[in-house]
Amino acid sequence: QKEVEQDPGPLSVPEGAIVSLNCTYSNSAFQYFMWYRQYSRKGPELLMYTYSSGNKEDGRFTAQVDKSSKYISLFIRDSQPSDSATYLCAMNKDDYKLSFGAGTTVTVRA
Amino acid sequence: NAGVMQNPRHLVRRRGQEARLRCSPMKGHSHVYWYRQLPEEGLKFMVYLQKENIIDESGMPKERFSAEFPKEGPSILRIQQVVRGDSAAYFCASSPTLRAQSGANVLTFGAGSRLTVL
Repeated sequence: QKEVEQDPGPLSVPEGAIVSLNCTYSNSAFQYFMWYRQYSRKGPELLMYTYSSGNKEDGRFTAQVDKSSKYISLFIRDSQPSDSATYLCAMNKDDYKLSFGAGTTVTVRA
Repeated sequence: NAGVMQNPRHLVRRRGQEARLRCSPMKGHSHVYWYRQLPEEGLKFMVYLQKENIIDESGMPKERFSAEFPKEGPSILRIQQVVRGDSAAYFCASSPTLRAQSGANVLTFGAGSRLTVL
């Protein structure tokens, strides 16, 4: 079993729709949870990070963490074609080593 | 600020040759990390370095792979006697400190070096 599971998709939605992404994990020691966006042939770019359980909102993006279920989510409201990318979840314990999901490829259709 | 710079962006090697990948961290960043991304898989931690020191190389294969971050110049990931299974995207990331004030390890990634082994 992988430490971090993420549905690779692909996910295709019309412009303006809500995009819902999620990851599950097995290591209960994870404390920091991140979402990265990766455009084709580019490096991952940090979108948001949260500590422990709870919600965090930043503009059109909302991250949720449920440590009891070992489940994290990212929601993108009012999606735009420019949101088309691969979204990677990542997490770590109280150290520097990040564990990544495989990424979900999202296409927002104009 | 030019960000994390990696070169070459693309590298083609034949089996048995050597591959050298370079990474210049962001200005002011003294912590460098290398990750490998295989097709259909997530990024995997390889090694963590500070200037002139390898802090953690637990994710790096024991043979053929080595990394350095000299006092002057970029960090280098070196793969000797490459095999087809080494074909992947290799990403370098840097951070100014081990953890931000928030406690999270916030990394800035480069655009990656894509190695193809024929």
